[in-house]
Amino acid sequence: AQSVTQPDIHITVSEGASLELRCNYSYGATPYLFWYVQSPGQGLQLLLKYFSGDTLVQGIKGFEAEFKRSQSSFNLRKPSVHWSDAAEYFCAVPNSGGYQKVTFGTGTKLQVIP
Amino acid sequence: EAQVTQNPRYLITVTGKKLTVTCSQNMNHEYMSWYRQDPGLGLRQIYYSMNVEVTDKGDVPEGYKVSRKEKRNFPLILESPSPNQTSLYFCASSLSDKYNEQFFGPGTRLTVL
Repeated sequence: AQSVTQPDIHITVSEGASLELRCNYSYGATPYLFWYVQSPGQGLQLLLKYFSGDTLVQGIKGFEAEFKRSQSSFNLRKPSVHWSDAAEYFCAVPNSGGYQKVTFGTGTKLQVIP
Repeated sequence: EAQVTQNPRYLITVTGKKLTVTCSQNMNHEYMSWYRQDPGLGLRQIYYSMNVEVTDKGDVPEGYKVSRKEKRNFPLILESPSPNQTSLYFCASSLSDKYNEQFFGPGTRLTVL
């Protein structure tokens, strides 16, 4: 079965510093991968997605992610974090096969300090 | 405005009292889904629907029911709520299937006493 692992439950960075959030997946074939962001008190919003092709994917709000098959990773990055980036971030993968399920990681909560 | 709406946003109820959380989308999406979010567990899929009258179980369907009689609506029904169903619930929709971006509602915080 497909799975995604987000090893970091909580990350704190200073405003202006770079950010990398980790996501590791388990998938039989080339996966579809998503990153979503959940701002406090709100629903989730798509940041970016990977289907195929270029392994470096650009998203909204200045985020990018790199698909690395050899490491089974799809890490989210941002070169300079803003205070408004404080939120919870989720990696997700649709299940392979006929079932239309989507599996989310457990999330990484980002705190931004001045 | 394209959106997914959920009602109610907050609900406190007692064990065994049937309740329904409504979900509606105005984007003509075929795929709709319900998730629950619990600390440390992330989002877990309860049920999903591929189209009208087509529903299937997600990873945690026990204690829940759904129906899809109209394309825009996908209510979540708790026939006999229990305290372990206290959670934050999200409805989501996407264009056609699991490979598309999902649009999420604002969430319903449910407390079962």
